[in-house]
Amino acid sequence: AQSVTQLGSHVSVSEGALVLLRCNYSSSVPPYLFWYVQYPNQGLQLLLKYTTGATLVKGINGFEAEFKKSETSFHLTKPSAHMSDAAEYFCAVRRWGTNAGKSTFGDGTTLTVKP
Amino acid sequence: DGGITQSPKYLFRKEGQNVTLSCEQNLNHDAMYWYRQDPGQGLRLIYYSQIVNDFQKGDIAEGYSVSREKKESFPLTVTSAQKNPTAFYLCASSEMDTQYFGPGTRLTVL
Repeated sequence: AQSVTQLGSHVSVSEGALVLLRCNYSSSVPPYLFWYVQYPNQGLQLLLKYTTGATLVKGINGFEAEFKKSETSFHLTKPSAHMSDAAEYFCAVRRWGTNAGKSTFGDGTTLTVKP
Repeated sequence: DGGITQSPKYLFRKEGQNVTLSCEQNLNHDAMYWYRQDPGQGLRLIYYSQIVNDFQKGDIAEGYSVSREKKESFPLTVTSAQKNPTAFYLCASSEMDTQYFGPGTRLTVL
């Protein structure tokens, strides 16, 4: 079985401040891990993914995430928030070797950026 | 431009009516998916198809039906048997590890 927990359904930061969105997962086998961003009334866009190899993954728009197996975490960070980062963010997990339809998504975290 | 299109963007339906949501992709992907999204919740898988003329139920298939007659197309029908159909519906396709999502259809039952 696999599951994803996103800690904090709402996160608010000031423009220019550090963004930290938390994601913890459970998986009985090595996981694939994903972060997606969703703007209002739009589909999901892939920010970054971890499959194998380097545990620090860099994505689009200045975001990055680090896979920490010992902590079963895959937190998303960005050094300096921009107003355009305001959106909903989803973490997803999938067991290694399974197809994309076996992904489990977290409930999402809404990021608000204050001027 | 390659991508996934969903139509219509907004759809209104009266109770008791069936409605079909369109999903088309020109990415040449074999696999396609339908998800339902409700406020404050993650995505829940309705149906998926890994190849033409084949599809499997996801976690919440009751009250929905699909077809996959062409590689490019994966329409979803929301039937009158679906008790709470008002939601945001997302179609996706995948290649290797990555899913690509369409812009979604917001269905409202009046």
